[in-house]
Amino acid sequence: EAGVAQSPRYKIIEKRQSVAFWCNPISGHATLYWYQQILGQGPKLLIQFQNNGVVDDSQLPKDRFSAERLKGVDSTLKIQPAKLEDSAVYLCASSLGPAPNSPLHFGNGTRLTVT
Amino acid sequence: GDSVTQMEGPVTLSEEAFLTINCTYTATGYPSLFWYVQYPGEGLQLLLKATKADDKGSNKGFEATYRKETTSFHLEKGSVQVSDSAVYFCALTGSQGNLIFGKGTKLSVKP
Repeated sequence: EAGVAQSPRYKIIEKRQSVAFWCNPISGHATLYWYQQILGQGPKLLIQFQNNGVVDDSQLPKDRFSAERLKGVDSTLKIQPAKLEDSAVYLCASSLGPAPNSPLHFGNGTRLTVT
Repeated sequence: GDSVTQMEGPVTLSEEAFLTINCTYTATGYPSLFWYVQYPGEGLQLLLKATKADDKGSNKGFEATYRKETTSFHLEKGSVQVSDSAVYFCALTGSQGNLIFGKGTKLSVKP
């Protein structure tokens, strides 16, 4: 099966600019996650969708970050305006349903550098 | 809140050495526990999991046992290979079915 697709693979922007990341989950996967992985740390959940509804966005900095999952398939994550501390790898993952019964499948991530 | 603590890395071993990466957790309830691996240039992959106390997860020669009494899920392998060089993440399930990760432990295996 095709894996989780993410684009772009790399992005460099200046602070205060905006940026968007795209994720295409595995076909049929109802649950979609966005994680932020800062260098030297483990991934931290930003937002979790079940189909096109938000399950958990408690750790999403809503003053600058937004995410949507139209039609319950693809998802975009946006940062506006970006700060230096947003430099990280943004990981998208999908699963048939919530863990632990349904394993998470991760994309290769988008590496964001904010200068 | 729920959290995972892993041993600090990097860990450097010679080929065929014994590997242990320690992982302890704090959680309310009875989470499932996981080890994920990230090979250079690749995405995170599930290595093994255990869903209840005393369960042993195993895959590719790696093992980990869910120890409720010590809140631990240590990763072990009897004989590592150069191809095992990667970053290993311990994780547990959060209340919404998401995953909460540790900081990761980088393993380098020398020939």
